[in-house]
Amino acid sequence: NAGVTQTPKFRILKIGQSMTLQCTQDMNHNYMYWYRQDPGMGLKLIYYSVGAGITDKGEVPNGYNVSRSTTEDFPLRLELAAPSQTSVYFCASSYLDTEAFFGQGTRLTVV
Amino acid sequence: AQTVTQSQPEMSVQEAETVTLSCTYDTSESNYYLFWYKQPPSRQMILVIRQEAYKQQNATENRFSVNFQKAAKSFSLKISDSQLGDTAMYFCAFMKQLGGAGSYQLTFGKGTKLSVIP
Repeated sequence: NAGVTQTPKFRILKIGQSMTLQCTQDMNHNYMYWYRQDPGMGLKLIYYSVGAGITDKGEVPNGYNVSRSTTEDFPLRLELAAPSQTSVYFCASSYLDTEAFFGQGTRLTVV
Repeated sequence: AQTVTQSQPEMSVQEAETVTLSCTYDTSESNYYLFWYKQPPSRQMILVIRQEAYKQQNATENRFSVNFQKAAKSFSLKISDSQLGDTAMYFCAFMKQLGGAGSYQLTFGKGTKLSVIP
């Protein structure tokens, strides 16, 4: 089973550039999440979605946008990249209150 | 807001020995879930063990067990017979329901870096 797949695994962006982090899951999970992990820190919630067409802000949403047009896909958009967005990004999915399954992460560097 | 505190940034243990990782949390919720996740150098987040707050019995998963003290808001992880493959970052996480939409939010601690020494 593929589980949660994130692309790309690594990316370097220049300040002001835009990009989309892709996330897809094949487990038919309703809930999907985007987290960022800064060095020496735990994961912080950026955005989440409870189903297709429904998204909401998490703890640190500024500078990001999401969409959920299908159950499978939950892309994260950075419009104007800033050095403060240098981090490792994790996408996750879950079914109700069961465990969250995580992708392998995207290491993003903004220079 | 919920907070999760892991007071041990780094720990080490000899292979085959037992180690306990600490976690405390702060919440006003009565129904919630607690997790320990393992993050090896590969970056993959792997679920180690899960505990429902309404269950009094401590969860156990092979060599991994927890000591859940609800009144004290404490959730420690015990790893028995430590193996080299247990070397990783370990994150304690708290899950509660968000608003009325039926979604769930995971709040993570800062992690404990565990090294298993041969």
